[in-house]
Amino acid sequence: ETGVTQTPRHLVMGMTNKKSLKCEQHLGHNAMYWYKQSAKKPLELMFVYSLEERVENNSVPSRFSPECPNSSHLFLHLHTLQPEDSALYLCASSQEVGAPFPNYEQYFGPGTRLTVT
Amino acid sequence: AQKVTQAQTEISVVEKEDVTLDCVYETRDTTYYLFWYKQPPSGELVFLIRRNSFDEQNEISGRYSWNFQKSTSSFNFTITASQVVDSAVYFCALSERGTNAGKSTFGDGTTLTVKP
Repeated sequence: ETGVTQTPRHLVMGMTNKKSLKCEQHLGHNAMYWYKQSAKKPLELMFVYSLEERVENNSVPSRFSPECPNSSHLFLHLHTLQPEDSALYLCASSQEVGAPFPNYEQYFGPGTRLTVT
Repeated sequence: AQKVTQAQTEISVVEKEDVTLDCVYETRDTTYYLFWYKQPPSGELVFLIRRNSFDEQNEISGRYSWNFQKSTSSFNFTITASQVVDSAVYFCALSERGTNAGKSTFGDGTTLTVKP
């Protein structure tokens, strides 16, 4: 595998289910990100991790719970979601994040298309 | 606060036409970084270019070129002799050096359709 991979690619879940999205980067990067992309809405940054430490949490509802066990893996645990949470969830990584480093470009995975019924 | 505006929501051209995608940004920081990404129908955003605020040189890469003008806070992207494979959503993004979390602000994207 190369680049950034995400599984599953598609997920349909009920509002009472619990599921997890997985992201893995094979680039040796130290920073990982979760984004939400809804139809006709801009990309929304959800979480940022740097060396397994969360450095950004953008007022995301607690029904989304991230986990970063190491710098190569990132999870997004989902529970009791709402229909408005249906979206494309994108994972990304970059070499570093935050001062004093320059802002490196991000490499994205193909996303998980989530549908909440 | 940082902001990125891509005023063109959708653009449609015929193959071989040149097309320019506009990007206007706002920032109070003197050190910042601008990016362009391409999102084909498959979903993943693909990094195209990064430019820092101290480098106003225009850049050309094959059929792609970028025009960075600090005076007008713009970072426009031109595709020369467009091809059907260029059809995608294109995002412009801005990151400020002073933001600890490296938070990039993305524009709303421009959907480019290139017809054969």
